[in-house]
Amino acid sequence: QVQLQESGPGLVKSSETLSLTCSVSGVSIKSYYWSWIRQPPGKGLEWIGYIYYTGNANYNPSLKSRVSISADTSKNQFSLKLMSVTAADTAVYYCARIMTAQDAFEMWGQGTKVTVSS
Amino acid sequence: QSALTQPRSVSGSPGQSVTISCTGTSSDVGAYIFVSWYQQYPDKAPKLIIYDVNKRPSGVPDRFSGSKSGNTASLTISGLQAEDEADYYCCSYAGPYTWVFGGGTKLTVL
Repeated sequence: QVQLQESGPGLVKSSETLSLTCSVSGVSIKSYYWSWIRQPPGKGLEWIGYIYYTGNANYNPSLKSRVSISADTSKNQFSLKLMSVTAADTAVYYCARIMTAQDAFEMWGQGTKVTVSS
Repeated sequence: QSALTQPRSVSGSPGQSVTISCTGTSSDVGAYIFVSWYQQYPDKAPKLIIYDVNKRPSGVPDRFSGSKSGNTASLTISGLQAEDEADYYCCSYAGPYTWVFGGGTKLTVL
């Protein structure tokens, strides 16, 4: 059974770096493309970026200057780093598996809530 | 990259049909078949219900259907049930290796 589990600090100070990890079980991360998506409180979904195990990645243009996604095949996980956070980065962060290289987000983690404090 | 446009809310009575629109541009919805829809209950992760414009993952009832015309995609839910009350989001591949979501639509079953 494939499972995705986000982990990381639930509270990050303003101007610091948000770091989250998505641990994947039941399938090798080499077999799929993966993504991070977030949802601010009471708002809609926002795509953050994608990663392939080779290290190929791309990001939402609105976040590109602050975001980095990487993959660790030895641990079967991938990670998100978002720098210089502000209150606007407060959100539930989801990791998700992409169906094929360009397709839908077919499987999601349960999400982890991150609050940016001043 | 601007969010796709969805109505903020729609409603219908049990047994009726409702359609949720999702308007993008010729660079996203209009350019690709990779349009998907997600159902989200409060405090839950989204769930994929439609992909590739009109395909349903295993286990999704055939009451859910999708279509696309030009830059606008649509999700139709027929035979509305109380359990369909949720938020619905569209999403489109916007190339290269970027995606864009709609703002979300709250479905109320009257």
